[in-house]
Parts: sequence; C-alpha cells; structure tokens
Amino acid sequence: QVQLVESGGGVAQPGGSLRLSCGASGFTFSHYGMHWVRQAPGKGLEWVAFIRYDGGDQSYAESVKGRFTISRDNSNNTLYLQMNSLRDEDTSVYYCAKIADSYASGSHYDYWGQGTLVSVSS
Amino acid sequence: DIQMTQSPSTLSASVGDRVTITCRASQSISSWLAWYQQKPGKAPKVLISKASSLESGVPSRFSGSGSGTEFTLTISSLQPDDFATYYCQQYNPYSWTFGQGTKVEIK
Repeated sequence: QVQLVESGGGVAQPGGSLRLSCGASGFTFSHYGMHWVRQAPGKGLEWVAFIRYDGGDQSYAESVKGRFTISRDNSNNTLYLQMNSLRDEDTSVYYCAKIADSYASGSHYDYWGQGTLVSVSS
Repeated sequence: DIQMTQSPSTLSASVGDRVTITCRASQSISSWLAWYQQKPGKAPKVLISKASSLESGVPSRFSGSGSGTEFTLTISSLQPDDFATYYCQQYNPYSWTFGQGTKVEIK
C-alpha cells in the first residue's frame, strides 16, 4: 500500500534552516509528481511547492519562493524540502502529497503523509 | 494567481441533514477541482476529483458538481462521521490553491 512518511521537522530560529524528507513506498515514485502542502496551527491548507516526476521542473508559492527548495531522489524514493531563511509565519505542519495521475503536472492528491511540525521561534 | 472562495466558513447541521458547500474560482478552472475532508490531527482525504468524480471508497452520499467558476459539494444525508472540515482545491498545472475551508459542526 502507498505510504508517505515525513521527517525532519522541529524547532528552528528565525533565519535558520531545516530540511524535510518524505520517504515514499508502495508505488513507482519516479512516475509521479509530488507536492508539499502546509497548515499553520488552526488555519487552512496552503500549497507550498511542486516537483515534476523526473525532477525536471519545480514550482513554488510566492510566500516561499527564493527561500525553499524542493528536490527529489528517485533512486531512493525520497522527496525533500530545504527551508532556509525561516520566518515565524513558516510555523506549520508540513505534508507531502502524491498526485494521482502518473506523468502529470495538474492532478489532485490521492495520498498524503501524516505531516511533520515545523516551529520557528526565538 | 487563482483565488478560491468557499462558503460558508462554518456550517451547523444535524445528522440526516442535506448539506451544501460552495466554492468559487476567481477565473475559469474548467473541471480541475477536488474536494478534501480533514479531521482534527489528520491529513486531508480526497472525496471528489475533476469536480464530480467520486473517489474509490467514498460513500455515495457525497457528490460534487459544477464547472468553470462555481462548484458545490453536497452531502445528501449527514452522518456522524462527516463532522469535519472540507476544502476545495483547484489544480490547474502550475497553479494550485485551496479554499479557506468549511467546518461542519454538530447543531
């Protein structure tokens, strides 16, 4: 069965960095685009970043552009989010999500990880 | 960017009620719309994709309709397990946005 397991969350200071990982299993990882989505405490869902199935294209929300980098290692079935220059407003649960259609860019999510909490505080 | 506006933000209803949630897009998104259900402390779960396609395993009391800029999620007879927050999402390639959510509460 499909499993997505995030790790790497924790506490960081403003201006600091964290790298999130999302380990994937149960499907052919290299065939599917992947996303990061976040949710601030008590708030709604916010799309963060997308990476194409082959890593050849990425897209970012304006709120994280220039600070966050999405990447993937298809040989190890792992998705990453490098977060630099962290701000208080980046405090959220971060989810990785798999898109439903193989080789697609525009598709809904059929599986989500359990989320990892990032807290930015001095 | 395409903005998604959901209404209402909160909805109080009883078991057995018919419930409708609306989502409006700031520009046409054809049928590139999904609906998700989220319960506290859990990841969202997809209910509907392509505006009206029921996902496998989702009860038939859930239905979606609409195209272009106006969409609705309907629960035909609200069940105890349905009290949750619901989000719409548009997924035009390279433009992904969520509505702000609708919390369905027990009346």
